Amino acid sequence: DQQVKQNSPSLSVQEGRISILNCDYTNSMFDYFLWYKKYPAEGPTFLISISSIKDKNEDGRFTVFLNKSAKHLSLHIVPSQPGDSAVYFCAALTHSGGGADGLTFGKGTHLIIQP
Amino acid sequence: DGGITQSPKYLFRKEGQNVTLSCEQNLNHDAMYWYRQDPGQGLRLIYYSQIVNDFQKGDIAEGYSVSREKKESFPLTVTSAQKNPTAFYLCASSRAWGMNTEAFFGQGTRLTVV
Repeated sequence: DQQVKQNSPSLSVQEGRISILNCDYTNSMFDYFLWYKKYPAEGPTFLISISSIKDKNEDGRFTVFLNKSAKHLSLHIVPSQPGDSAVYFCAALTHSGGGADGLTFGKGTHLIIQP
Repeated sequence: DGGITQSPKYLFRKEGQNVTLSCEQNLNHDAMYWYRQDPGQGLRLIYYSQIVNDFQKGDIAEGYSVSREKKESFPLTVTSAQKNPTAFYLCASSRAWGMNTEAFFGQGTRLTVV
């Protein structure tokens, strides 16, 4: 049973427009969420994160929104640039008993920025 | 420069052989992880280590083994018991266990079993 879901395998957006990548989760114990960006044959790189005590976190062109009641988060990229073309993974973790388990990842969304 | 290094980048092995993937970090991170990526599967956790001399099974540990004798190193052995070993393997580390911190990933090792 997948606890972190990215239901769009791919997304195509025109350069300069807004890219919105969505992520849903089922485990209500998740309390920290991260977005990673991955180019082919490379390791993922951290992009932005959000704690469950917040509903928004912004870093330059990237903003992550968290809706806890809907168990939904989204990553907004404004404006989209050609270098943003990559696979984006949503990840979540939970802290319990003083420790944290490994990150639980979604299957990823391939973002394609068109000129 | 600090970072996390996986070697080799590409690895070919015959079916039935054990193979060990290397992962080294000089970030002074306590926690280390191994993930496997398959097409359409995202990243799945194989093993993780909170601290040196300790490690725990992840979601898909069967057919794999690890060791954490040094803080800097977390090698993964893919044994002959792993039924589908061909995959892209990613090692990661994070600063401390139990804290909100992102993981830093290595460049990955693509293992092909023929």
